[in-house]
Amino acid sequence: EAGVAQSPRYKIIEKRQSVAFWCNPISGHATLYWYQQILGQGPKLLIQFQNNGVVDDSQLPKDRFSAERLKGVDSTLKIQPAKLEDSAVYLCASSLLAGDQYFGPGTRLTVL
Amino acid sequence: AQSVTQPDIHITVSEGASLELRCNYSYGATPYLFWYVQSPGQGLQLLLKYFSGDTLVQGIKGFEAEFKRSQSSFNLRKPSVHWSDAAEYFCAVEERGSTLGRLYFGRGTQLTVWP
Repeated sequence: EAGVAQSPRYKIIEKRQSVAFWCNPISGHATLYWYQQILGQGPKLLIQFQNNGVVDDSQLPKDRFSAERLKGVDSTLKIQPAKLEDSAVYLCASSLLAGDQYFGPGTRLTVL
Repeated sequence: AQSVTQPDIHITVSEGASLELRCNYSYGATPYLFWYVQSPGQGLQLLLKYFSGDTLVQGIKGFEAEFKRSQSSFNLRKPSVHWSDAAEYFCAVEERGSTLGRLYFGRGTQLTVWP
């Protein structure tokens, strides 16, 4: 069974630029999560989808972050414009409804 | 608000020695409890979880954890550490009865293993 795929693995941008991350969950997983993991901290949930609907985006900085999940499968997380404090690893996870979460390898973002 | 505390930022042990990583939670009711491991450049992998029943749970890679309600703790243990166990370990909780499955993570404990 293929795991959660994420791309790119690494991204370096300058502040005020835009960036997008892509996630392909495990086939058949209805629920998809995006987490932000800042160096020295545990992952923090940004947004959660169930199929293609948002069920929790309370921690998403909506003035600069956006996310979508097209057709209930792949998802894209965008930051526009990026700030220095957005430097982090962005993890995507998926699960069967509310079951065990399986994590992708993450995208490491550096904002200069 | 839910909180998860991992008091040890970094632990160093010798290969073959025993290991205990501490985790305490603050929550109104006993949540679901998890331990994850993250190797460099990798995503998080679930080691074990506690929902109910036997308070000593067995996981993968020879790890176990014990839930102690009176101490609000869920400590991870391994009797004999291998060099390949060097990684970062995260304790996490999920609100019991939640339909959302949202996880709250501790800050992590970095484990170094000396040969």
